[in-house]
Amino acid sequence: KQEVTQIPAALSVPEGENLVLNCSFTDSAIYNLQWFRQDPGKGLTSLLLIQSSQREQTSGRLNASLDKSSGRSTLYIAASQPGDSATYLCAVGDSNYQLIWGAGTKLIIKP
Amino acid sequence: SQTIHQWPATLVQPVGSPLSLECTVEGTSNPNLYWYRQAAGRGLQLLFYSVGIGQISSEVPQNLSASRPQDRQFILSSKKLLLSDSGFYLCAWSLGTLRFFGQGTRLTVV
Repeated sequence: KQEVTQIPAALSVPEGENLVLNCSFTDSAIYNLQWFRQDPGKGLTSLLLIQSSQREQTSGRLNASLDKSSGRSTLYIAASQPGDSATYLCAVGDSNYQLIWGAGTKLIIKP
Repeated sequence: SQTIHQWPATLVQPVGSPLSLECTVEGTSNPNLYWYRQAAGRGLQLLFYSVGIGQISSEVPQNLSASRPQDRQFILSSKKLLLSDSGFYLCAWSLGTLRFFGQGTRLTVV
């Protein structure tokens, strides 16, 4: 059974720092992996989608990597801003189009 | 472009009362539709998904039910709410595994 873990559960860093959020999964037979952002009390916004054949995806200041063999993905945020404060969730997609979710990392960027 | 609407945004209901949360999608046909529940500090739990009108798959046994009376309408219901039904409920539609979410409903059962 696939399990997805995100560590740390919460992270607070000063504005301007580069940071890395981690996501690990137990079964390397994934279809893809997605990173989402959730603002407090709101729905989720898809940030990046990495297909199983890909190593990384980039969007602006965000870069997501995928290493299936080690069961890991990272979300790199460059030059963090207070507006980046949110909860970041990763989800692993299987071949049945179902998503298995991590519990999220709550990120606070201090001005 | 596609949009998803979910309402209400917040809801306070007494124990034992019925529930109806509605979700509609615009700009796409025959979407896969999903209801998730999110507990504080935890990931999303898939409650129901639907691949077409009248087709509902339940992921976990519970006090809730779902219906899809129209192609782009997905309803989450309960006949009698329990305290444990409190949580944040999210509707979503998908294109493959790419999910698009509504703004969520904060349900508090008192």
